[in-house]
Amino acid sequence: ETGVTQSPTHLIKTRGQQVTLRCSSQSGHNTVSWYQQALGQGPQFIFQYYREEENGRGNFPPRFSGLQFPNYSSELNVNALELDDSALYLCASSVSGGGSYNSPLHFGNGTRLTVT
Amino acid sequence: ILNVEQSPQSLHVQEGDSTNFTCSFPSSNFYALHWYRWETAKSPEALFVMTLNGDEKKKGRISATLNTKEGYSYLYIKGSQPEDSATYLCAPKSGFQKLVFGTGTRLLVSP
Repeated sequence: ETGVTQSPTHLIKTRGQQVTLRCSSQSGHNTVSWYQQALGQGPQFIFQYYREEENGRGNFPPRFSGLQFPNYSSELNVNALELDDSALYLCASSVSGGGSYNSPLHFGNGTRLTVT
Repeated sequence: ILNVEQSPQSLHVQEGDSTNFTCSFPSSNFYALHWYRWETAKSPEALFVMTLNGDEKKKGRISATLNTKEGYSYLYIKGSQPEDSATYLCAPKSGFQKLVFGTGTRLLVSP
């Protein structure tokens, strides 16, 4: 069973730039969620994708966008980076539908983004 | 937006001690409560998903209880070991909202 993998592991960007983070879901999982963990906080929900469509979004501005591909892998894009975007970005996959309403999340190791 | 509180923020115990943490959340529109363990340099790992009032779950030396009417869950670790050192996160789910994580309890177990 292949777990959730994220790339890159670390990234340094300059304010105003754009960044793309990538995530491969665990085999058999059809739902991907993205979380941002800033220092001293718990993971904050950004958005979730199911069947290639966004089906839930947290309190993040539109410059945070995403994609889910037919193989259930996903991307998180952030435009016009700000210093406060510096954080650990976690991807988590799970199973939705078919009665799996409370499927636990399976997380990747995260991408550490630093914006200077 | 759910307000999730976890206490204590951090805890330092000796090997063999038993310990417990609290997760508090609004009791209205409760749907489920998740517990995760997050070890340093690893990814968060699911411990329990609980849905029913009075639910009790156990995994080895770790157990959890749930009270949905008053909005809290306890996580217990019996006979703590150094490998239990991690941050323990709870995440309630309300209605159609997605999981909302607390800031976690950081546990350090000294040999």
